[in-house]
Amino acid sequence: NAGVTQTPKFRILKIGQSMTLQCTQDMNHNYMYWYRQDPGMGLKLIYYSVGAGITDKGEVPNGYNVSRSTTEDFPLRLELAAPSQTSVYFCASSYRAGGIGQPQHFGDGTRLSIL
Amino acid sequence: AQSVAQPEDQVNVAEGNPLTVKCTYSVSGNPYLFWYVQYPNRGLQFLLKYITGDNLVKGSYGFEAEFNKSQTSFHLKKPSALVSDSALYFCAVRFSGFQKLVFGTGTRLLVSP
Repeated sequence: NAGVTQTPKFRILKIGQSMTLQCTQDMNHNYMYWYRQDPGMGLKLIYYSVGAGITDKGEVPNGYNVSRSTTEDFPLRLELAAPSQTSVYFCASSYRAGGIGQPQHFGDGTRLSIL
Repeated sequence: AQSVAQPEDQVNVAEGNPLTVKCTYSVSGNPYLFWYVQYPNRGLQFLLKYITGDNLVKGSYGFEAEFNKSQTSFHLKKPSALVSDSALYFCAVRFSGFQKLVFGTGTRLLVSP
């Protein structure tokens, strides 16, 4: 059981370039999330989705876009990369059934440096 | 504003000794509290949660946490630490009616042999 898979694991971008971080889950989870993790700052929510075709902004959405065309996939798009977007990005997913106590399952992250 | 705080950046403990990692929260309404652990170069892994009921919650790998409403705390505990428990620990809170988690800044636990 693969769980949540993120690709690539590492990437270096130049300022102004764009890229898509891929996330896919095989647990049939309704909810999916994108976080960024910066040293000493914990995790900040970028975007989330409660199902295919439905997305919403989190705490730090500026400079990012998402789409959710299928239950399994939730890609994160960076347009015009900036040094402030250097971070570790985590995708997560969770069930809707069972109420709000369902834990989130995380991928292993994408480490992104923008130079 | 709703928030969660982890007052210690790092906790050091000797193997075999009990450990405590602290977490306090500030919410309006009922809090739903979680602990996650992160090992190097890995994503977060769920340890345990408090939704309602008993104030002492048991989780994975021998960890437990005590919910204290009057002190607005949810401290993570383990009776006997292992070197392999060394990792980064995050407290998180989800608020009633929302699907979003708010994370603390994390506490690094170092267990020495």
